[in-house]
Amino acid sequence: DAKTTQPNSMESNEEEPVHLPCNHSTISGTDYIHWYRQLPSQGPEYVIHGLTSNVNNRMASLAIAEDRKSSTLILHRATLRDAAVYYCILRDPGTSYGKLTFGQGTILTVHP
Amino acid sequence: ETGVTQSPTHLIKTRGQQVTLRCSSQSGHNTVSWYQQALGQGPQFIFQYYREEENGRGNFPPRFSGLQFPNYSSELNVNALELDDSALYLCASSWSRARSGDTQYFGPGTRLTVL
Repeated sequence: DAKTTQPNSMESNEEEPVHLPCNHSTISGTDYIHWYRQLPSQGPEYVIHGLTSNVNNRMASLAIAEDRKSSTLILHRATLRDAAVYYCILRDPGTSYGKLTFGQGTILTVHP
Repeated sequence: ETGVTQSPTHLIKTRGQQVTLRCSSQSGHNTVSWYQQALGQGPQFIFQYYREEENGRGNFPPRFSGLQFPNYSSELNVNALELDDSALYLCASSWSRARSGDTQYFGPGTRLTVL
């Protein structure tokens, strides 16, 4: 599986934007970039995914570099509920089963 | 629409015992994956079931086994429990087994403690 690298932790203030980076320099042309987050005492929760173009949904935006070797998850206005571990994951369509390979993730702390 | 549910919430076992964890997938989902999450780590893929057959397996020994039923619910069985099996066990369901754009929906997990 292609590897991702994320900062161990980041901090933000409530109501401010948050940019969570992810490096994936060995990404293949067919790997999708997925983001999941895990709130305390809960299972992971899907946030967003994309292949080449930037993506937006009600939770966040995903900005993908032109060479696809990095991406950034953008939370436009952080709330206390966004405090979680954020995982950047590459999904390979070549496998016959859709496992998610989680790394350590980024622990996001949101200050009131 | 009912989400993914898991039972029990917590479980305490002793070394050498056997345990069965249960998962009900989200309505309409035919694929279930199981993950193990040790404290402070990201979840690790155990295996996936698709239409009642094991469809893929991670780096876990054979004493980790599973079942999927016709209603797509699933069980994870662990035999000969070891102390290192203490973890949060997560179940995730999805619409299909391998589409890379597919989303997996996770349950809240079962916290297993082995003494």
